[in-house]
Amino acid sequence: GAGVSQTPSNKVTEKGKYVELRCDPISGHTALYWYRQSLGQGPEFLIYFQGTGAADDSGLPNDRFFAVRPEGSVSTLKIQRTERGDSAVYLCASSPRTSGAHNEQFFGPGTRLTVL
Amino acid sequence: DAKTTQPTSMDCAEGRAANLPCNHSTISGNEYVYWYRQIHSQGPQYIIHGLKNNETNEMASLIITEDRKSSTLILPHATLRDTAVYYCIVRGGSGANSKLTFGKGITLSVRP
Repeated sequence: GAGVSQTPSNKVTEKGKYVELRCDPISGHTALYWYRQSLGQGPEFLIYFQGTGAADDSGLPNDRFFAVRPEGSVSTLKIQRTERGDSAVYLCASSPRTSGAHNEQFFGPGTRLTVL
Repeated sequence: DAKTTQPTSMDCAEGRAANLPCNHSTISGNEYVYWYRQIHSQGPQYIIHGLKNNETNEMASLIITEDRKSSTLILPHATLRDTAVYYCIVRGGSGANSKLTFGKGITLSVRP
């Protein structure tokens, strides 16, 4: 079946611009996560949605970063006034809601953001 | 979530077993050990997880020490396609949907 998809795969922008990154989770998955990964580092958690609401946004670095998931499916990560330090691969993951302690996260291929 | 410590890199010969160690000495009783891997230019992929018993699936085996302070991921017959960064993660049992806290992982290189 279809996995998590992310668009665009690559985004180049200029410092100060606004960008939107899109994530289409696996159909039926109620949990959705955003991570970002800098070169040579492991992914770093940004935000987690359960349905339409952000259940944990503790990883958002500052108020330039915002994410929405208005209908509980597709999510958009929005970055205002981009800075060169925002350059990274932005990863999205989804998982089904279960009652158990284990919940595998399925990752998309990521969006590579480059801020010039 | 407890912190994990992994070597930076290791290699093994194709067809041999790859044993990837991980230390998690501060793990608490309700925390699980997870392993994910990331092949170059792809998103991470779940491999296996465990609480205290050894686990095996079609991809790998997970051996957790009795005191739970360390574990080993075993790929029984490594192939070139297993070359990747492997992340050992300790995840709280407080919620089924809790975040994953990745470290730098260990880079496994499988040589022909």
